[in-house]
Amino acid sequence: QQQVKQSPQSLIVQKGGISIINCAYENTAFDYFPWYQQFPGKGPALLIAIRPDVSEKKEGRFTISFNKSAKQFSLHIMDSQPGDSATYFCAASGSATNKLIFGTGTLLAVQP
Amino acid sequence: ETGVTQTPRHLVMGMTNKKSLKCEQHLGHNAMYWYKQSAKKPLELMFVYNFKEQTENNSVPSRFSPECPNSSHLFLHLHTLQPEDSALYLCASSQDWFTGANVLTFGAGSRLTVL
Repeated sequence: QQQVKQSPQSLIVQKGGISIINCAYENTAFDYFPWYQQFPGKGPALLIAIRPDVSEKKEGRFTISFNKSAKQFSLHIMDSQPGDSATYFCAASGSATNKLIFGTGTLLAVQP
Repeated sequence: ETGVTQTPRHLVMGMTNKKSLKCEQHLGHNAMYWYKQSAKKPLELMFVYNFKEQTENNSVPSRFSPECPNSSHLFLHLHTLQPEDSALYLCASSQDWFTGANVLTFGAGSRLTVL
């Protein structure tokens, strides 16, 4: 119940393409869903986050889509660039538990 | 460098050694965390300190011993580790521990190899 399942494990996208990473959760008490971006040799950094009261949040080329009934959320990277190559982690937490539960990560490679 | 600094960046130790990882944050945050990052696994929360008090210990083996002398510094003392403990150990901080929407600021990590 505390797991967040993330797919795919790795993703190769051509420059200018759309990268899509999916996550699913079971715990309906989760009410905060962030995405973290990690470059090689660096720690993860918050990229974008969403609450379940909205179905979509956009920040520049990055969009979170949220489907509360399906208990799924996804990260879309529009016009993917080589500089977006990194590992992306989805996560979830709830007011009942302050712990951030992370997915297993997706290694994204954007080819020039 | 980010607001969270970890040293050393790389550490190789034998199973009988004793070593320590250090973390320092310059963000004025009140909560500090240790996470373990292993390939193809979710980030694993190990310990949480809030206002220098340990609030979480996720069933971590006693060969890992945390210490938080103040809100800016966090240590992870290591002794008699096993090869499966080889991983990237990440320190993070957040404003506090009480909100469900904690924004974590991570350090770059300490890469530990246990021989």
